[in-house]
Amino acid sequence: DSGVTQTPKHLITATGQRVTLRCSPRSGDLSVYWYQQSLDQGLQFLIQYYNGEERAKGNILERFSAQQFPDLHSELNLSSLELGDSALYFCASSAPRDLSSNYGYTFGSGTRLTVV
Amino acid sequence: AQSVAQPEDQVNVAEGNPLTVKCTYSVSGNPYLFWYVQYPNRGLQFLLKYITGDNLVKGSYGFEAEFNKSQTSFHLKKPSALVSDSALYFCAVRLMNSGYSTLTFGKGTMLLVSP
Repeated sequence: DSGVTQTPKHLITATGQRVTLRCSPRSGDLSVYWYQQSLDQGLQFLIQYYNGEERAKGNILERFSAQQFPDLHSELNLSSLELGDSALYFCASSAPRDLSSNYGYTFGSGTRLTVV
Repeated sequence: AQSVAQPEDQVNVAEGNPLTVKCTYSVSGNPYLFWYVQYPNRGLQFLLKYITGDNLVKGSYGFEAEFNKSQTSFHLKKPSALVSDSALYFCAVRLMNSGYSTLTFGKGTMLLVSP
């Protein structure tokens, strides 16, 4: 157990629908990162939050949004889903100094989204 | 553009033989470089990192990586491969984005170790 919890583990939904993925970071970590992993695109950075505020944006579609709550858990909202959104979505967390001194990121086990 | 590249989609090696998984980077300034491993249906796990200092970095599970500034490379190595090393390996580099740092990953290299 890495300490980063993602729910649900699997999600199957239809095109056009909206889903919410949830992430609880490792205890004490203030930063949360969302990544999308697909066979053709590899591991793509979507968005980062730090202590409730958006810090960096990557290749995140406008149909996707995220937020980090006061208890530091984060949710990734995916709407108007398309077949191409089927992927593994990872959440990772880090403490402020982790990229310099420690393990970089700690990853959750991911949510596998299948859009049918 | 700043990035990291893994030129091989797959590496095949026999158990007991040495293995190398290649990574090259393109960043301005001093790079912070990482290797992660992903086993099936699992998240990424940290293997090792290079921040500064000795160019040969030792990590988990007997893996090591050599930072080569002149060749802008950070190849992952292991002297003797195990079947259990079969997994997807990612090289990553720290990039600054609007004053905050994030990790950018390569596309990954599948390592297959045959008995």
